[in-house]
Amino acid sequence: QSALTQPASVSGSPGQSITISCTGTSSDVGGYNYVSWYQQHPGKAPKLIIYDVTNRPSGVSDRFSGSKSGNTASLTISGLQAEDEAAYYCGSFTLDAVIFGGGTKLTVL
Amino acid sequence: QVQLQESGPALVKPSETLSLTCAVSGYSVSSGPYWGWIRQPPGKGLEWIGSMSQSGATYYNPSLKSRVAISLDKSKNQFSLKFISVTAADTAVYFCARDRGGGSSDHWGQGTLVTVSS
Repeated sequence: QSALTQPASVSGSPGQSITISCTGTSSDVGGYNYVSWYQQHPGKAPKLIIYDVTNRPSGVSDRFSGSKSGNTASLTISGLQAEDEAAYYCGSFTLDAVIFGGGTKLTVL
Repeated sequence: QVQLQESGPALVKPSETLSLTCAVSGYSVSSGPYWGWIRQPPGKGLEWIGSMSQSGATYYNPSLKSRVAISLDKSKNQFSLKFISVTAADTAVYFCARDRGGGSSDHWGQGTLVTVSS
């Protein structure tokens, strides 16, 4: 399985919105509604922020939203805050395994 | 609340076996649905190793399948990872996690760094 494709970095100013893409194939992202997104601060464990493409776990801010079109999933963060600066990873279920994207470093300017 | 804690040696010699345990508190491993391991080499991205259902079914990353085994100990409320014939490429932070289904992990341990070196 190949890793999902994410941009290496994105940036935005406080209050702005940014979108991170996650591109796969019809065997993973496009084939199932099982895309998840994780936020990881340096030295910490990843935190689940979106599951099953669009759902937020309890306690996760509604500034985070997920969507999917074809083989590409997207994470949108609105009203950027300094604490959003972190690495973001997408993950997808496949018949053989769970695969992840390479990660996107979000910088809040 | 659900808490997970990894334990095991921080240093393993090449060709030996890496063994880690994940102790779960605040939740029964018998309730599942799945319990898994994910690793992250220093400065790199996440790699799914595998998972086990509460009924005992196992699922492994095809690229690691020949070297990995995950087991569940309901009496101790924990699960374990065994990784044989390790090399320097297996040096990583190893995380245990609960998979809520569909491959999404909603509770994670803090991670433990395992270095493979002689």
